[in-house]
Amino acid sequence: SQQGEEDPQALSIQEGENATMNCSYKTSINNLQWYRQNSGRGLVHLILIRSNEREKHSGRLRVTLDTSKKSSSLLITASRAADTASYFCATDPGTPLVFGKGTRLSVIA
Amino acid sequence: EAQVTQNPRYLITVTGKKLTVTCSQNMNHEYMSWYRQDPGLGLRQIYYSMNVEVTDKGDVPEGYKVSRKEKRNFPLILESPSPNQTSLYFCASSLSYSSYNEQFFGPGTRLTVL
Repeated sequence: SQQGEEDPQALSIQEGENATMNCSYKTSINNLQWYRQNSGRGLVHLILIRSNEREKHSGRLRVTLDTSKKSSSLLITASRAADTASYFCATDPGTPLVFGKGTRLSVIA
Repeated sequence: EAQVTQNPRYLITVTGKKLTVTCSQNMNHEYMSWYRQDPGLGLRQIYYSMNVEVTDKGDVPEGYKVSRKEKRNFPLILESPSPNQTSLYFCASSLSYSSYNEQFFGPGTRLTVL
């Protein structure tokens, strides 16, 4: 059961620019998480935002959540080549987490 | 170091030859899960376990078996692998069966079934 859908599917930016990716979901949630995956490796947890929160920060990451629109965005500021990865949102419609298909971010030096 | 380990990391096998992919975590986590990742389909859950001796089907359980006899181990068994099970497999664990817990992922097992 695919719950979260990331947009865009792929994003290419220059180093130093900001990267924004979005996640839309269908049913109500308790929280939403973002994960990063470097090519072919395991996912790494980035940040969790609860349904009663609107915005959360962690270092260069800023996550927003709009439950009325059933959407979230992940902003990476001042991107670096090391940020090149796929980014997934994960929601909890029933079983603990359901992952989207991801946004592939390429940061060009 | 807190981690989830999987073995083997790479495996090429033939149709019908039973195989087991092991998964082990050293964080005393209650919840463990198996996912497969395929291009264009994202991450799909195969099976999960809320605790020892408690397992349940995820979204794509057909062709797979699991067991949870010890808290730290959660092996994935393919009794008769087929080419459509060629995929990248991830084991993950979290503190408990709660969506408020982050999941810790293993490094992945790339399986090719010929």
